[in-house]
Amino acid sequence: EVQPVESGGGLVQPGGSLRLSCVVSGFSFSSYWMNWVRQAPGKGLEWVANIKRDGSEVYYVDSVKGRFTISRDNAKNSLYLQMNSLRAEDSAVYYCVTHFFQFWGQGSLVTVSS
Amino acid sequence: QAVVTQEPSLTVSPGGTVTLTCGSSTGAVTSGHYPFWVQQKPGQAPTTLIYDTNNKHSWTPARFSGSLLGAKAALTLSGAQPEDEAEYYCLLSYSGPRVFGGGTKLTVL
Repeated sequence: EVQPVESGGGLVQPGGSLRLSCVVSGFSFSSYWMNWVRQAPGKGLEWVANIKRDGSEVYYVDSVKGRFTISRDNAKNSLYLQMNSLRAEDSAVYYCVTHFFQFWGQGSLVTVSS
Repeated sequence: QAVVTQEPSLTVSPGGTVTLTCGSSTGAVTSGHYPFWVQQKPGQAPTTLIYDTNNKHSWTPARFSGSLLGAKAALTLSGAQPEDEAEYYCLLSYSGPRVFGGGTKLTVL
């Protein structure tokens, strides 16, 4: 069974940094684009970023451009999201999602607060 | 970036049929937007029901179907069940970036 597993969430102060990781097993990880999607408490889903199979193309939602960096390590079946200059409005559950949005992780909670 | 629009809420009777729609601020939704439909029940992670306009995953109940309806993408539920009460999100692709709609809260009552 394919199951993305996120880690790295937690409480961070405004202006701080956090790095999310996602390991995907049972899946040809290197063959597919990958995505990060977030959901603020009580709010809807928001697509955050995606990355091509070989990492040569990346895209971001406007609100995180210049602050977040998506990357991957195909040898480790792993996806990452480096989050810098964090703001209160970045507080959310962050989901790692495979191409075609076929498989979703259970999410990692990020809370930005002083 | 584009704005994707959905009905905020809809109600359907058990056994009834309902259609949810998904529009784009950039114009007509086409197959080139590769529309997705994602279901989320309270307290659970989302589940994708439809991809690429009208394709179903192995876990997608047969009562759900996707299509293009006029200038919008559509999700039709035929024979609604109580367990279909959930939030439904449309997702469109814009040549790289993706955008979710605000979601439709579907009540089965």
